[in-house]
Amino acid sequence: DAKTTQPPSMDCAEGRAANLPCNHSTISGNEYVYWYRQIHSQGPQYIIHGLKNNETNEMASLIITEDRKSSTLILPHATLRDTAVYYCIVREGGYSGAGSYQLTFGKGTKLSVIP
Amino acid sequence: EAQVTQNPRYLITVTGKKLTVTCSQNMNHEYMSWYRQDPGLGLRQIYYSMNVEVTDKGDVPEGYKVSRKEKRNFPLILESPSPNQTSLYFCASTPRRTSELNEQFFGPGTRLTVL
Repeated sequence: DAKTTQPPSMDCAEGRAANLPCNHSTISGNEYVYWYRQIHSQGPQYIIHGLKNNETNEMASLIITEDRKSSTLILPHATLRDTAVYYCIVREGGYSGAGSYQLTFGKGTKLSVIP
Repeated sequence: EAQVTQNPRYLITVTGKKLTVTCSQNMNHEYMSWYRQDPGLGLRQIYYSMNVEVTDKGDVPEGYKVSRKEKRNFPLILESPSPNQTSLYFCASTPRRTSELNEQFFGPGTRLTVL
C-alpha cells in the first residue's frame, strides 16, 4: 500500500517553478522520502530523496516539513521536458532488511508543463 | 554509458508460446528486479534478485520465472504466456549498500501483448 497522497494532476507554465506536494502523515522516523518521475511510458527516473532536511540537486529541491508529514518537490524552472508523472515514495533507506529494495509506486501526480 | 537495457522493446505473441525478455546492466549492480505496469494499478514488483543465484518473489510472481546466472543479466521468462500478462515491463537495478540511497536505474521498458 502506498503511504503517500498526491494530487492526481497539476499544470505549470513553462519557465515557472513547479511545486508538487506530497502528504505522508504516517511516515516513521527511519523512513525517507524519495521522488521519481516517469516520462510517458519510459522507465521511472530517480530525482531526489531526503530524511528531514531540505535537499537540492541539479534536478530539483525537496522541502520536508518539520513534522515530516508532508513534503514538496520543486522544479525551479519547469520545461516542456518535465511533463511527466511524479511519484512520491516513502520507505526505509537502502536495503530494508526485509529482502528487497522494492519501491511501492502510488498513482503519482501528472504534471503538465504548458508553453 | 551506465544503463539498463531490455530486449525486445515490443513484442506481440500468442497464448502459450514461451518467451524471454532479457535485461542487462553495465553498472556492476548486485540488485536487480522486474516490475510490471498496468493502467490503474501502477508498478508492481514481479521478482527480484539480491545477487547471482539469489532470487525471490515480489508481489505478483505468478506465471513468471527468472534466473540470475551472471551479475549483469536478469532475464524474465514467461513459460506459458496468457492475455492477463499483457503489460509494460520494466527491469531495474541498484547497487546493494546499507546507505540511505535507493536510486534505482530502470530500463526503457518492454511492451508485451499476449493474444
